[in-house]
Parts: sequence; C-alpha cells; structure tokens
Amino acid sequence: DGGITQSPKYLFRKEGQNVTLSCEQNLNHDAMYWYRQDPGQGLRLIYYSQIVNDFQKGDIAEGYSVSREKKESFPLTVTSAQKNPTAFYLCASSIYRDADGYTFGSGTRLTVV
Amino acid sequence: RKEVEQDPGPFNVPEGATVAFNCTYSNSASQSFFWYRQDCRKEPKLLMSVYSSGNEDGRFTAQLNRASQYISLLIRDSKLSDSATYLCVVKSSGGYNKLIFGAGTRLAVHP
Repeated sequence: DGGITQSPKYLFRKEGQNVTLSCEQNLNHDAMYWYRQDPGQGLRLIYYSQIVNDFQKGDIAEGYSVSREKKESFPLTVTSAQKNPTAFYLCASSIYRDADGYTFGSGTRLTVV
Repeated sequence: RKEVEQDPGPFNVPEGATVAFNCTYSNSASQSFFWYRQDCRKEPKLLMSVYSSGNEDGRFTAQLNRASQYISLLIRDSKLSDSATYLCVVKSSGGYNKLIFGAGTRLAVHP
C-alpha cells in the first residue's frame, strides 16, 4: 500500500543535541512538506520541497534543516539552535506543487529532556 | 490576526445532536477550502473540500461564504465516532499556494 512513513514515532532529545526525523513516501509525489503542531495551535509550515534537490523555507524554518536527495525521502533535522523543539512533527506530500490533496504521515512526537 | 480562526471548543454534544463549526479566514484571495479531521495524537485526514455552492457528504454539510470569508461545517445525527478535532484549512494564493491550518475545534460526542 502507498503511503508516508515517519520514524521514529517518539523521540527524546537532550538539550544541545541535533536529531533527525525520517520521512519516506512511496506515492511518487513530487512535493513534500514538514509541519510542526503545538497544543492549541494550527499546523505551521517548517520547510517544503517541490522537487528533488530543491527546498524552500516555510514560516518557521529557524533552527531546522532539510535535504531532498531522493524523491522518496525528506528528512528533517532539528538543530540545537531550535530553542523550543518539543512538538508534534508531521510530514506530508502532494502529487505536485499546488495540489489540493495532502497525505500526512503519522507523525513524530519530539520531547526535549 | 490569525489567517484562519476557529472556535477552539470543546463542543460537548449527545449522540444524535446536530453541531455546527464556524471558521473565518483573512485573505480574500484564498482559492480553496477544506475541512480536515484529526483524532487525538494522530495525523490530520481530509474530511471534505468546501465548494462555493455548498456540498454534502452523508451527515456532513460544508458551506462557504466568500463575501464574509466564512466557512462552516454541519454534522447531523452525531455519532460517538465523530469525536475528534476538526481543522479548517485554507489554500492561500501567492507565489506558493500553501495550505494554512486553523487551530481546530474539538468535538466530544457522549452517549
């Protein structure tokens, strides 16, 4: 079955550490996205990629980095520069840029300990 | 002002009740509109798109008023399984047509 796989489901990070969240899709979608969700807030866009080897900053990119070396994969690194990284991270994809339908992964819950 | 605003709720209703959610958006050039459903600690899933003429999918009816920049979702004959958070989502216009999510309205249906 086609879909998006995010791993790990839960992640604990010590202060000052970088961590990388995995996102893999087998839907043959061109566009991929990373969102962050905090309690009581809507999803906020961190980074997006319209095609391999291209990505753009979203609304809250500071303290995060991404790469898009393969169509299927769009990993997100949460760096030590991100001051408040505890959140629920969601990866999504769409068949092309501007497509209405987004498919979401099941999310990674990151906690700083 | 937030780009997409919703009443956070929670809405606590008995089974069989009719419940309505409202949403307003700030960008009059917005192109497309959606309702997503999100269960606790899960990913959002598309519930339905919202069309200018209004549209219905079983017990769910969505309405759009472009002049007032207002979107609504009506759920009739509520079921226990409808308990979730409902996200109002707007596709903005501009160089990149991104989806903008409201914070969501929580619905709790009780027996």
